[in-house]
Amino acid sequence: AQTVTQSQPEMSVQEAETVTLSCTYDTSENNYYLFWYKQPPSRQMILVIRQEAYKQQNATENRFSVNFQKAAKSFSLKISDSQLGDTAMYFCAFMKLTHYGGATNKLIFGTGTLLAVQP
Amino acid sequence: NAGVTQTPKFQVLKTGQSMTLQCAQDMNHNSMYWYRQDPGMGLRLIYYSASEGTTDKGEVPNGYNVSRLNKREFSLRLESAAPSQTSVYFCATSPGQGSSYNSPLHFGNGTRLTVT
Repeated sequence: AQTVTQSQPEMSVQEAETVTLSCTYDTSENNYYLFWYKQPPSRQMILVIRQEAYKQQNATENRFSVNFQKAAKSFSLKISDSQLGDTAMYFCAFMKLTHYGGATNKLIFGTGTLLAVQP
Repeated sequence: NAGVTQTPKFQVLKTGQSMTLQCAQDMNHNSMYWYRQDPGMGLRLIYYSASEGTTDKGEVPNGYNVSRLNKREFSLRLESAAPSQTSVYFCATSPGQGSSYNSPLHFGNGTRLTVT
């Protein structure tokens, strides 16, 4: 069974600075997808960034980037130039593929990291 | 606007009462899911429906039942609510198993349920 671990329950960062959120996972699968979701106080779940395990290049989306270390089973999220609107709970999630390589769409979530961006 | 709509947004129940959480989507997605979110535990899958007419248990199905009424609607029922079911419940949808991962899950805005 797959597990996802986020070891930082809470973090704080000053506005405009950079912060890195940690995520590790355990799986025997070779092909899978990884995601970071953001949940602001509105409770809405928002997809931030995604990474295919077969791709060595780290995914980036504007101020958000990941450091994907497949051998170490690590998938950290870096937020550059932090903004007040980045204050949210961040969830790391794992999704294995079907045997023919398609999405299973059943995500396994970590316990979340609550990020507070301070003015 | 396309999306996933959950009703109600908030609910308070007494122990032993029953209720049904409703979820409707207009995204023409095949698969629908119910998750619960608890502090320190992330989101856990309760039940899912890979396609219309099918339902399967997730990680924490005990105490719940589901109905995939049609392609658009997927309801979650608590027959006899318990305090341990106090949680935030999320409905989510996806195009379907085997599809592109580009947008794996679209979430509703959640239902906060308190059982006293």
